[in-house]
Amino acid sequence: GQNIDQPTEMTATEGAIVQINCTYQTSGFNGLFWYQQHAGEAPTFLSYNVLDGLEEKGRFSSFLSRSKGYSYLLLKELQMKDSASYLCATIKAAGNKLTFGGGTRVLVKP
Amino acid sequence: NAGVMQNPRHLVRRRGQEARLRCSPMKGHSHVYWYRQLPEEGLKFMVYLQKENIIDESGMPKERFSAEFPKEGPSILRIQQVVRGDSAAYFCASSPQSQETQYFGPGTRLLVL
Repeated sequence: GQNIDQPTEMTATEGAIVQINCTYQTSGFNGLFWYQQHAGEAPTFLSYNVLDGLEEKGRFSSFLSRSKGYSYLLLKELQMKDSASYLCATIKAAGNKLTFGGGTRVLVKP
Repeated sequence: NAGVMQNPRHLVRRRGQEARLRCSPMKGHSHVYWYRQLPEEGLKFMVYLQKENIIDESGMPKERFSAEFPKEGPSILRIQQVVRGDSAAYFCASSPQSQETQYFGPGTRLLVL
Protein backbone atom coordinates (compact mmCIF):
# COMPACT_ATOMS: atom_id res chain seq x y z
CA GLY A 1 0.00 0.00 0.00
CA GLN A 2 0.92 3.65 -0.07
CA ASN A 3 0.59 6.50 2.38
CA ILE A 4 1.74 10.03 1.57
CA ASP A 5 1.49 12.82 4.11
CA GLN A 6 2.04 16.54 3.72
CA PRO A 7 0.72 19.51 5.71
CA THR A 8 -2.62 20.87 4.58
CA GLU A 9 -1.77 24.54 4.66
CA MET A 10 1.15 26.90 5.25
CA THR A 11 1.39 30.67 5.37
CA ALA A 12 4.53 32.70 4.72
CA THR A 13 5.57 36.26 4.01
CA GLU A 14 6.73 37.60 0.68
CA GLY A 15 10.53 37.34 0.40
CA ALA A 16 10.76 34.60 3.03
CA ILE A 17 11.56 30.88 2.74
CA VAL A 18 9.08 28.04 3.16
CA GLN A 19 9.80 24.31 3.46
CA ILE A 20 7.05 21.84 2.59
CA ASN A 21 7.62 18.36 3.98
CA CYS A 22 6.35 15.13 2.51
CA THR A 23 6.63 11.71 4.12
CA TYR A 24 5.74 8.53 2.31
CA GLN A 25 5.43 4.81 2.82
CA THR A 26 5.56 3.34 -0.66
CA SER A 27 6.49 -0.27 -1.31
CA GLY A 28 8.65 -0.54 -4.40
CA PHE A 29 9.40 3.19 -4.33
CA ASN A 30 11.35 4.56 -7.29
CA GLY A 31 11.06 8.34 -7.21
CA LEU A 32 9.25 11.41 -5.97
CA PHE A 33 7.72 14.31 -7.88
CA TRP A 34 6.71 17.80 -6.83
CA TYR A 35 4.06 19.71 -8.77
CA GLN A 36 2.62 23.20 -8.35
CA GLN A 37 -1.09 23.71 -8.91
CA HIS A 38 -2.79 27.09 -8.95
CA ALA A 39 -6.51 27.07 -8.21
CA GLY A 40 -8.50 25.87 -11.20
CA GLU A 41 -5.41 25.06 -13.24
CA ALA A 42 -3.34 22.03 -14.21
CA PRO A 43 -0.48 20.72 -12.07
CA THR A 44 2.86 22.04 -13.33
CA PHE A 45 6.01 19.94 -12.96
CA LEU A 46 8.62 21.29 -10.52
CA SER A 47 11.05 18.47 -9.73
CA TYR A 48 11.71 14.74 -9.85
CA ASN A 49 14.05 13.13 -7.29
CA VAL A 50 15.24 9.56 -7.67
CA LEU A 51 18.53 9.67 -5.76
CA ASP A 52 19.16 10.92 -2.23
CA GLY A 53 20.17 14.53 -1.88
CA LEU A 54 19.26 18.06 -2.79
CA GLU A 55 18.45 19.30 -6.28
CA GLU A 56 18.30 23.03 -6.85
CA LYS A 57 16.43 24.80 -9.63
CA GLY A 58 16.44 28.55 -9.24
CA ARG A 59 14.30 29.58 -6.27
CA PHE A 60 13.01 26.02 -5.80
CA SER A 61 14.95 23.08 -4.33
CA SER A 62 13.85 19.54 -3.60
CA PHE A 63 15.40 17.03 -1.22
CA LEU A 64 14.96 13.29 -0.93
CA SER A 65 15.98 10.73 1.69
CA ARG A 66 15.00 7.26 0.52
CA SER A 67 15.99 5.59 3.80
CA LYS A 68 13.75 7.92 5.81
CA GLY A 69 10.86 8.04 3.33
CA TYR A 70 11.08 11.82 3.39
CA SER A 71 11.23 14.69 0.95
CA TYR A 72 10.90 18.43 1.14
CA LEU A 73 10.34 21.26 -1.29
CA LEU A 74 12.08 24.52 -0.43
CA LEU A 75 10.77 27.77 -1.87
CA LYS A 76 13.09 30.75 -1.48
CA GLU A 77 12.50 34.47 -1.97
CA LEU A 78 8.78 33.91 -1.96
CA GLN A 79 6.66 35.87 -4.40
CA MET A 80 2.93 36.46 -4.34
CA LYS A 81 2.56 34.29 -7.44
CA ASP A 82 3.90 31.33 -5.43
CA SER A 83 0.55 31.14 -3.64
CA ALA A 84 -0.67 27.74 -4.84
CA SER A 85 -1.02 24.12 -3.83
CA TYR A 86 2.12 22.00 -3.89
CA LEU A 87 1.63 18.32 -4.61
CA CYS A 88 3.98 15.54 -3.60
CA ALA A 89 3.66 12.31 -5.62
CA THR A 90 5.52 9.00 -5.64
CA ILE A 91 6.10 6.55 -8.45
CA LYS A 92 6.92 2.89 -8.08
CA ALA A 93 9.61 1.01 -9.97
CA ALA A 94 6.91 -1.24 -11.40
CA GLY A 95 4.16 0.70 -13.09
CA ASN A 96 3.81 4.31 -14.06
CA LYS A 97 1.01 5.72 -11.99
CA LEU A 98 1.64 8.65 -9.70
CA THR A 99 0.23 8.49 -6.19
CA PHE A 100 -0.41 11.97 -4.83
CA GLY A 101 -0.57 13.37 -1.35
CA GLY A 102 -3.42 15.69 -0.49
CA GLY A 103 -1.40 18.77 -1.40
CA THR A 104 -0.15 21.69 0.68
CA ARG A 105 -1.83 25.03 0.13
CA VAL A 106 0.73 27.82 0.50
CA LEU A 107 -0.49 31.35 1.06
CA VAL A 108 2.06 34.12 0.55
CA LYS A 109 1.20 37.35 2.35
CA PRO A 110 2.68 40.79 1.62
CA ASN B 1 5.85 22.15 -29.12
CA ALA B 2 2.27 22.26 -27.90
CA GLY B 3 1.55 20.86 -24.49
CA VAL B 4 -1.05 18.29 -23.55
CA MET B 5 -4.42 19.31 -24.98
CA GLN B 6 -7.76 18.46 -23.48
CA ASN B 7 -11.27 19.23 -24.63
CA PRO B 8 -13.75 20.28 -23.73
CA ARG B 9 -12.47 22.43 -20.87
CA HIS B 10 -15.90 22.48 -19.27
CA LEU B 11 -18.70 19.97 -19.72
CA VAL B 12 -22.18 20.01 -18.22
CA ARG B 13 -24.28 16.88 -18.30
CA ARG B 14 -27.56 15.80 -16.75
CA ARG B 15 -27.74 12.60 -14.74
CA GLY B 16 -27.91 9.58 -17.02
CA GLN B 17 -26.18 11.21 -19.98
CA GLU B 18 -22.80 10.26 -21.39
CA ALA B 19 -19.60 12.29 -21.05
CA ARG B 20 -16.70 11.99 -23.50
CA LEU B 21 -13.42 13.62 -22.58
CA ARG B 22 -10.59 13.94 -25.07
CA CYS B 23 -6.84 14.18 -24.59
CA SER B 24 -4.08 14.73 -27.12
CA PRO B 25 -0.64 14.03 -25.62
CA MET B 26 2.43 16.12 -26.21
CA LYS B 27 4.18 15.46 -29.50
CA GLY B 28 6.42 12.44 -29.21
CA HIS B 29 4.66 11.10 -26.09
CA SER B 30 3.12 7.67 -26.37
CA HIS B 31 2.14 7.18 -22.70
CA VAL B 32 -1.14 8.70 -21.51
CA TYR B 33 -2.59 8.83 -18.00
CA TRP B 34 -5.96 9.95 -16.68
CA TYR B 35 -6.40 11.35 -13.16
CA ARG B 36 -9.48 12.62 -11.36
CA GLN B 37 -9.60 15.42 -8.81
CA LEU B 38 -12.74 15.65 -6.74
CA PRO B 39 -13.54 19.03 -5.16
CA GLU B 40 -11.14 19.80 -2.30
CA GLU B 41 -9.38 16.44 -2.75
CA GLY B 42 -6.09 15.21 -4.16
CA LEU B 43 -5.46 13.80 -7.60
CA LYS B 44 -6.29 10.11 -7.99
CA PHE B 45 -4.95 7.86 -10.73
CA MET B 46 -7.55 6.27 -12.98
CA VAL B 47 -5.93 4.63 -16.01
CA TYR B 48 -2.68 4.37 -17.96
CA LEU B 49 -2.62 3.70 -21.69
CA GLN B 50 -0.18 3.33 -24.52
CA LYS B 51 -1.24 3.34 -28.15
CA GLU B 52 -4.09 0.85 -28.56
CA ASN B 53 -3.40 -0.74 -25.17
CA ILE B 54 -4.67 -0.28 -21.63
CA ILE B 55 -1.70 -0.94 -19.37
CA ASP B 56 -3.17 -0.24 -15.92
CA GLU B 57 -6.81 0.51 -15.18
CA SER B 58 -6.65 -0.21 -11.46
CA GLY B 59 -7.96 3.24 -10.51
CA MET B 60 -10.91 3.31 -12.84
CA PRO B 61 -14.38 2.26 -11.61
CA LYS B 62 -15.35 -1.01 -13.26
CA GLU B 63 -18.80 0.19 -14.24
CA ARG B 64 -19.71 3.11 -16.50
CA PHE B 65 -16.10 4.20 -17.12
CA SER B 66 -13.96 3.24 -20.09
CA ALA B 67 -10.84 4.58 -21.76
CA GLU B 68 -9.13 4.14 -25.09
CA PHE B 69 -6.10 5.46 -26.94
CA PRO B 70 -6.53 4.50 -30.59
CA LYS B 71 -3.76 4.26 -33.17
CA GLU B 72 -4.97 7.53 -34.67
CA GLY B 73 -6.51 10.37 -32.72
CA PRO B 74 -6.78 11.41 -29.11
CA SER B 75 -7.27 9.34 -26.00
CA ILE B 76 -10.91 9.24 -24.88
CA LEU B 77 -12.27 8.84 -21.37
CA ARG B 78 -15.91 7.88 -21.53
CA ILE B 79 -18.36 8.00 -18.65
CA GLN B 80 -21.76 6.47 -19.27
CA GLN B 81 -24.91 7.27 -17.30
CA VAL B 82 -23.23 10.01 -15.31
CA VAL B 83 -24.18 10.62 -11.68
CA ARG B 84 -23.66 13.70 -9.51
CA GLY B 85 -20.66 12.06 -7.84
CA ASP B 86 -18.83 12.08 -11.19
CA SER B 87 -18.57 15.88 -10.98
CA ALA B 88 -14.84 16.54 -10.83
CA ALA B 89 -11.86 17.80 -12.76
CA TYR B 90 -10.41 15.14 -15.05
CA PHE B 91 -6.76 15.64 -15.94
CA CYS B 92 -4.83 13.89 -18.64
CA ALA B 93 -1.03 13.61 -18.53
CA SER B 94 1.53 12.26 -20.95
CA SER B 95 5.15 11.14 -20.87
CA PRO B 96 7.64 10.16 -23.57
CA GLN B 97 8.71 6.94 -21.88
CA SER B 98 7.78 5.01 -18.77
CA GLN B 99 9.12 6.30 -15.45
CA GLU B 100 9.63 9.77 -16.93
CA THR B 101 8.02 13.05 -15.99
CA GLN B 102 4.29 13.26 -16.63
CA TYR B 103 3.07 16.58 -18.04
CA PHE B 104 -0.52 17.53 -17.36
CA GLY B 105 -3.15 19.04 -19.58
CA PRO B 106 -5.49 21.86 -18.48
CA GLY B 107 -8.20 19.43 -17.43
CA THR B 108 -11.89 18.98 -18.18
CA ARG B 109 -14.26 20.16 -15.48
CA LEU B 110 -17.33 17.97 -15.53
CA LEU B 111 -20.48 19.14 -13.81
CA VAL B 112 -23.39 16.73 -13.51
CA LEU B 113 -26.73 18.36 -12.81
